[in-house]
Amino acid sequence: DVKVTQSSRYLVKRTGEKVFLECVQDMDHENMFWYRQDPGLGLRLIYFSYDVKMKEKGDIPEGYSVSREKKERFSLILESASTNQTSMYLCASSLPGQSHEQYFGPGTRLTVT
Amino acid sequence: GQNIDQPTEMTATEGAIVQINCTYQTSGFNGLFWYQQHAGEAPTFLSYNVLDGLEEKGRFSSFLSRSKGYSYLLLKELQMKDSASYLCAVRDKGNTPLVFGKGTRLSVIA
Repeated sequence: DVKVTQSSRYLVKRTGEKVFLECVQDMDHENMFWYRQDPGLGLRLIYFSYDVKMKEKGDIPEGYSVSREKKERFSLILESASTNQTSMYLCASSLPGQSHEQYFGPGTRLTVT
Repeated sequence: GQNIDQPTEMTATEGAIVQINCTYQTSGFNGLFWYQQHAGEAPTFLSYNVLDGLEEKGRFSSFLSRSKGYSYLLLKELQMKDSASYLCAVRDKGNTPLVFGKGTRLSVIA
């Protein structure tokens, strides 16, 4: 069974703090993704990575950065958290190729106050 | 640009059949995926279509028409546990990330 885990289910941070969201997958997947999910807006892609040390911007990368030092781990960093980054953050991973589905982690609900 | 449309909400009765539609306009097409997401949980994969036609998997079926940019998810013999959001997603080319619609929230009532 593919397992994608995220470091926290719930997180509360203050405006201006640096926030790290960690994601680990145990199926040796090359591809990893970070999305945020907001009511009425659906899932929006922040960043993704096809391999270690590689990263690509998604649709809404502003205010975020990522790190992929090991194949199994993909971290999302909020350099200076703002209230409009309050959201549900979902990590996903997949094998390469067009037919492979993405497997999602349980999500981290981040509140920035 | 990418545009994926699905109804926001639907309600159906336990034991009935419901069809959730999805239309897409994307720069390319390399497959359409359906996911189920219960409230507060992660999306889980339901089905994948890349060729025209119907794919059946138990109580769930998914249909694709590439020429019309259209898919539907058909749920038969509805159960209360089918109350969830259903997400339509398209891969527009090669190994790219999925692009998701906003999801359809299905409520199954007794």
